[in-house]
Amino acid sequence: EDQVTQSPEALRLQEGESSSLNCSYTVSGLRGLFWYRQDPGKGPEFLFTLYSAGEEKEKERLKATLTKKESFLHITAPKPEDSATYLCAVQAWMDSSYKLIFGSGTRLLVRP
Amino acid sequence: GAGVSQSPSNKVTEKGKDVELRCDPISGHTALYWYRQSLGQGLEFLIYFQGNSAPDKSGLPSDRFSAERTGGSVSTLTIQRTQQEDSAVYLCASSSLQGMNTEAFFGQGTRLTVV
Repeated sequence: EDQVTQSPEALRLQEGESSSLNCSYTVSGLRGLFWYRQDPGKGPEFLFTLYSAGEEKEKERLKATLTKKESFLHITAPKPEDSATYLCAVQAWMDSSYKLIFGSGTRLLVRP
Repeated sequence: GAGVSQSPSNKVTEKGKDVELRCDPISGHTALYWYRQSLGQGLEFLIYFQGNSAPDKSGLPSDRFSAERTGGSVSTLTIQRTQQEDSAVYLCASSSLQGMNTEAFFGQGTRLTVV
């Protein structure tokens, strides 16, 4: 069964305390892996796309990496404004259509 | 347009009434997705359009739900005879699926409340 699993479900960090979020997937025909940030009451905001194992992308305090079975979102020296839910999604070509499968997200809280 | 636009942003309806939710994708994006998100939950896939056709309707929860897309652009999600369990945020996303530009961009959603 094709699925995307994110861990942990929730993460509390002190400001400046670096950590990583995990997204593992079992999907055939992978076309891309996406990370999104979602603030309460808003739609998901696109962060990164990763296409192949070994690829890395960075944006401010965030760095996303990809292997053949999982992706990590590393948060370096987080600030309270980084508090949000982080969603991982996998796009795959299957059954003659592009599937976009989401994980359930990691709720991140960064305390000052 | 500059981004994905959804309307209305909020909708309160009485149980049993029909509702229509609208999505204006980014201009030129051929793929369009509808998702549903209940409070504190993840994104539940509803339907995917490629152009005007819907190759994947597998996520529609019942025959009360339908969607169409005309002119390869605007999409409408219709819920007939609404029930309280239909209350959720309905999100629309579009993607160009051209070359390496496969990421999907979301609108701000329509918050539906059935009373």
